[in-house]
Amino acid sequence: SQQGEEDPQALSIQEGENATMNCSYKTSINNLQWYRQNSGRGLVHLILIRSNEREKHSGRLRVTLDTSKKSSSLLITASRAADTASYFCAEGQGGKLIFGQGTELSVKP
Amino acid sequence: DAGVTQSPTHLIKTRGQHVTLRCSPISGHKSVSWYQQVLGQGPQFIFQYYEKEERGRGNFPDRFSARQFPNYSSELNVNALLLGDSALYLCASSFERGVNTGELFFGEGSRLTVL
Repeated sequence: SQQGEEDPQALSIQEGENATMNCSYKTSINNLQWYRQNSGRGLVHLILIRSNEREKHSGRLRVTLDTSKKSSSLLITASRAADTASYFCAEGQGGKLIFGQGTELSVKP
Repeated sequence: DAGVTQSPTHLIKTRGQHVTLRCSPISGHKSVSWYQQVLGQGPQFIFQYYEKEERGRGNFPDRFSARQFPNYSSELNVNALLLGDSALYLCASSFERGVNTGELFFGEGSRLTVL
């Protein structure tokens, strides 16, 4: 399978804590993207980091990329109950995205 | 502006039947992609269409087919349904052909159950 792996598969934290999700990918990427999915619904794009970037911020989100290790991480700071969702990393390859297995995040109020 | 719209939202079929799923991209977007998401997994790429031509195909059997119309809307067809085809089928659109410059915009999906 071309799919990358995400770690952890599930994460449960309290509101206000930070959440870190890790992603390993398999191909030589042009970019790496992170998406969020609320239960059984469509995916929403969060952030895109290009292969020549090492870190990117968007609001409470911080993404890092290490192309030598083929890995990326997503940090959500000061989490809220509304952040409860599944988070996926995806390698951008030409016309398609190759998704990881996802991390299921639960933020308890 | 309306986002990506998909229909139907839910449907139930029996093994051996045929299904057609429909997708309308965001206005101005010329690329439509289809993904299959089995419960508990990440989405898997099925097809990409750009300017009405197939530009990419994932590792799916010939029972899966698709097309894109002049107004850039798209249909995904699955013949001879199997139990394993039960999944959330996601449509995504983008202005450009590739994902090298930007994100995909996803619809809410069509949930197919095969009995």
